[in-house]
Amino acid sequence: KAGVTQTPRYLIKTRGQQVTLSCSPISGHRSVSWYQQTPGQGLQFLFEYFSETQRNKGNFPGRFSGRQFSNSRSEMNVSTLELGDSALYLCASSLNGGGTETQYFGPGTRLLVL
Amino acid sequence: QKEVEQNSGPLSVPEGAIASLNCTYSDRGSQSFFWYRQYSGKSPELIMSIYSNGDKEDGRFTAQLNKASQYVSLLIRDSQPSDSATYLCAVIGGYQKVTFGIGTKLQVIP
Repeated sequence: KAGVTQTPRYLIKTRGQQVTLSCSPISGHRSVSWYQQTPGQGLQFLFEYFSETQRNKGNFPGRFSGRQFSNSRSEMNVSTLELGDSALYLCASSLNGGGTETQYFGPGTRLLVL
Repeated sequence: QKEVEQNSGPLSVPEGAIASLNCTYSDRGSQSFFWYRQYSGKSPELIMSIYSNGDKEDGRFTAQLNKASQYVSLLIRDSQPSDSATYLCAVIGGYQKVTFGIGTKLQVIP
């Protein structure tokens, strides 16, 4: 079974631009969560989608948004990029989400904002 | 106070020794606890999950949970150089909110 895939793997943008990241979960998984990882803050939860609905949201500004499609693939969008948005963005999938399920992480998208 | 606290390390242990990684959390309603391993440049992978007080063993790994003290730990016996990685503690709290610690970098010295 193929793992979680994320595209693109690397991205360089400039301040003020917007970016869209994509995540394809493991086949059959309906929950997709997004995380931002930086050296100073560690892994921070952005949001979780399940059956095309945002089910949970972390403490990030509205510039960060996401969506999920009927095939469970998910996209994350960051508008008006700031230097501090430079990070590794990870998505993770699980069967139905919830507190006891194992999450499987994708390889991540490394975003650099100049 | 951070919701999930870990010492960022590095924690250095000699090969063959026991590595002890610790994590404290602030949400008393937390019910699910996870340890992930993350190699440099890679994504996190689940090592252990624990939900009830006590110890849970899986091979060389033992997770320990004490809800009264709001403390969860991971012991790695017979540490190997291949165990050198960052270990992330994750806690599922109220409203199924997941919070990760900053991670502890473990270095196993041959």
